[in-house]
Amino acid sequence: DAGITQSPRHKVTETGTPVTLRCHQTENHRYMYWYRQDPGHGLRLIHYSYGVKDTDKGEVSDGYSVSRSKTEDFLLTLESATSSQTSVYFCAISEGAVGEQFFGPGTRLTVL
Amino acid sequence: GESVGLHLPTLSVQEGDNSIINCAYSNSASDYFIWYKQESGKGPQFIIDIRSNMDKRQGQRVTVLLNKTVKHLSLQIAATQPGDSAVYFCAENSGAGSYQLTFGKGTKLSVIP
Repeated sequence: DAGITQSPRHKVTETGTPVTLRCHQTENHRYMYWYRQDPGHGLRLIHYSYGVKDTDKGEVSDGYSVSRSKTEDFLLTLESATSSQTSVYFCAISEGAVGEQFFGPGTRLTVL
Repeated sequence: GESVGLHLPTLSVQEGDNSIINCAYSNSASDYFIWYKQESGKGPQFIIDIRSNMDKRQGQRVTVLLNKTVKHLSLQIAATQPGDSAVYFCAENSGAGSYQLTFGKGTKLSVIP
């Protein structure tokens, strides 16, 4: 998985609780991404980062925030989880703005 | 493993035969395309990419063909093996320096031993 780890790998939480997912890379790549994957929708971009403290919204950013204080770490936070945020979340990294993205192993999140 | 999609198009191929997986893309301005493979319970894995100034690119046992006229992309896998069984996605970059990849919903390839 190209030196990318995600934690936790599985999480079950209740509606209304905050949740933070972590992505850690050892490749020193500049760009990092958070996607969610749902049946019938494919992969959809939530947020991305183009450098430390530089982030922007993707296609499905509502209800999510991100932070990147170090090159190697990109955090995704659900401030108040909802059942519609039950999904599999993937982190990805890339060296350049246009080019292959390498994906982590994913986090399965269930919001009850 | 994680479910990557319900009612995905499925392609069943005999081991040793060639596979062709197709993808239609929507944005005529897209200038970069990628194919990914996703096995059950794992993250997508990069297979091969192609830029819009090319029509064909070959890798190890895989070939990607790009037809910009009809906005069509295909992935050919030679001598398909059981380990090729997975869901295959195409993705496009919409150009103009965009960071974003738009992913297709995928095709499930099943290899019959």
